[in-house]
Amino acid sequence: ETGVTQTPRHLVMGMTNKKSLKCEQHLGHNAMYWYKQSAKKPLELMFVYSLEERVENNSVPSRFSPECPNSSHLFLHLHTLQPEDSALYLCASSQEIRLAGVDEQFFGPGTRLTVL
Amino acid sequence: AQSVTQPDIHITVSEGASLELRCNYSYGATPYLFWYVQSPGQGLQLLLKYFSGDTLVQGIKGFEAEFKRSQSSFNLRKPSVHWSDAAEYFCAVGAGNDMRFGAGTRLTVKP
Repeated sequence: ETGVTQTPRHLVMGMTNKKSLKCEQHLGHNAMYWYKQSAKKPLELMFVYSLEERVENNSVPSRFSPECPNSSHLFLHLHTLQPEDSALYLCASSQEIRLAGVDEQFFGPGTRLTVL
Repeated sequence: AQSVTQPDIHITVSEGASLELRCNYSYGATPYLFWYVQSPGQGLQLLLKYFSGDTLVQGIKGFEAEFKRSQSSFNLRKPSVHWSDAAEYFCAVGAGNDMRFGAGTRLTVKP
């Protein structure tokens, strides 16, 4: 595997389910990110991890819970989601987060989530 | 907080014609500037980036972008569009621990 991989690619879940999205980067990067991409809206940065520590949480509802067990893996745990949470969830990684700004990011193909 | 505006939601050009996609940003200092492309069912791929130095930046697939500080713009250009360039294009601004994306411009290429 190369680059950034995400599993599953598609997920359909009910509002009472608990599921997890997985992201793995094979680039030796130190920073990882979760984004939400909804139709007709800009990408929304959800979480930022640098060296396995969360450094940014952009007011994301608690029904989304990230986990970064090591610098190569990132999870997004989902529980009691709402239909409006249906979107494409993208994972990205970068070499580092510079003090003056983020570095270029490498994206996975995303997980298409549908909440019924 | 920084923001990014892509004024054109959808652009259609003929194959072989030139292309310019607009991007304006709002930020107190010069941030890091990026253009990404997304094909259907795919993640985003970096086309080019500007951190400092020469204001005309060359990227992959024949794209270039010019940073104009006075206009707070970072427009993407290509002299001759190919049918495979049809995709969604995103301008992004990075500063601190944050990255902001524009809403995207969908490019359609006519044969």
